[in-house]
Amino acid sequence: DAGVIQSPRHEVTEMGQEVTLRCKPISGHNSLFWYRQTMMRGLELLIYFNNNVPIDDSGMPEDRFSAKMPNASFSTLKIQPSEPRDSAVYFCASSLSGRNQETQYFGPGTRLLVL
Amino acid sequence: RKEVEQDPGPFNVPEGATVAFNCTYSNSASQSFFWYRQDCRKEPKLLMSVYSSGNEDGRFTAQLNRASQYISLLIRDSKLSDSATYLCVVNKSGFQKLVFGTGTRLLVSP
Repeated sequence: DAGVIQSPRHEVTEMGQEVTLRCKPISGHNSLFWYRQTMMRGLELLIYFNNNVPIDDSGMPEDRFSAKMPNASFSTLKIQPSEPRDSAVYFCASSLSGRNQETQYFGPGTRLLVL
Repeated sequence: RKEVEQDPGPFNVPEGATVAFNCTYSNSASQSFFWYRQDCRKEPKLLMSVYSSGNEDGRFTAQLNRASQYISLLIRDSKLSDSATYLCVVNKSGFQKLVFGTGTRLLVSP
């Protein structure tokens, strides 16, 4: 079975450019999470969706960040304009609400470098 | 104070050693607890859940002390393949939001 799919796997861009990260959750999962990981701050939850609806976006750093989930099989995280401090690994994870609802399955991540 | 605190390590141990990691959490209302494992440049993966009565999975034993808000992970007979970062994870007010510690790095040497 395919796991969580993220694209691109690596992204290098210049400050001020728009960056779009993509995620395809595991089929049948109804919750999707976006995380950011840095050496200094560890793994931080940015936003999560349940049944395509944003539930908690309190972790989104600022207005430059936005996330959408137009359907159950696709989500995007957009940064516009990007800044060097946005450089990090961005993970998408999905889970199925239910008995083991807290078990989150992570994608391979997108390594973002903003110059 | 961080919601989940871990000793960052690294813990350097020889093969076959027993090693223990500790973790403390600040929210007494936390309900679910986990250990995730993250290999270098890879994504985190669930290692095991932590139950109130303590639980074991092969060489791995997890313990929870709710009164002290303390979680532990014991690894017996360490293997080279156990080298990774171990993340302590606690759920936060609500059934889906997880808070991750910054991780404890383990290096097992021959």
